[in-house]
Amino acid sequence: EAQVTQNPRYLITVTGKKLTVTCSQNMNHEYMSWYRQDPGLGLRQIYYSMNVEVTDKGDVPEGYKVSRKEKRNFPLILESPSPNQTSLYFCASSLRKTGMNTEAFFGQGTRLTVV
Amino acid sequence: AQTVTQSQPEMSVQEAETVTLSCTYDTSESDYYLFWYKQPPSRQMILVIRQEAYKQQNATENRFSVNFQKAAKSFSLKISDSQLGDAAMYFCAYRSGGYQKVTFGTGTKLQVIP
Repeated sequence: EAQVTQNPRYLITVTGKKLTVTCSQNMNHEYMSWYRQDPGLGLRQIYYSMNVEVTDKGDVPEGYKVSRKEKRNFPLILESPSPNQTSLYFCASSLRKTGMNTEAFFGQGTRLTVV
Repeated sequence: AQTVTQSQPEMSVQEAETVTLSCTYDTSESDYYLFWYKQPPSRQMILVIRQEAYKQQNATENRFSVNFQKAAKSFSLKISDSQLGDAAMYFCAYRSGGYQKVTFGTGTKLQVIP
């Protein structure tokens, strides 16, 4: 089954304690990205990756890091989480080919609370 | 930068009735794609319908259809014969034809009244 898998689904942590949210896709997609969803703001892109070892900032990258060492995995790293990073996080993947009507496939979301 | 605006934070519809959710966008590009995503309480993002900007014909998927007005940069979603399972948050989204970044609107929460 084609899917994007995020872990964990729920996480409560304390300010300053490093954490990683994992994302893995089994569709051989080149493009992967991270979004955060906040009430009234919709989904905003944090980071994206066009392929292995190629990453770039989205609209709200401050406080986050990513890596893309393998095509299937795109972890999101919070080196020193703060309460304003409390949010619902989504990983998404899609084919890189442009000019095609390719949709984004989303993971099930990670609810992160930083206290 | 592209922007997507959903001006209706909340909407309600009687079961079996029809409802239209509004979406406008701003872009200078001619090649792009538009999407509606549904997010039920389970939080999963589910693709409802998509539209290629170069196609004049409005997309339709069963009870879901769009009214795509390219000149007006409008992309509304019509849900016919509304069902209780349609209750969810709906997001309008834009993607450039030459780039994979997706820009989302702020969402419309749809309530279906039995």
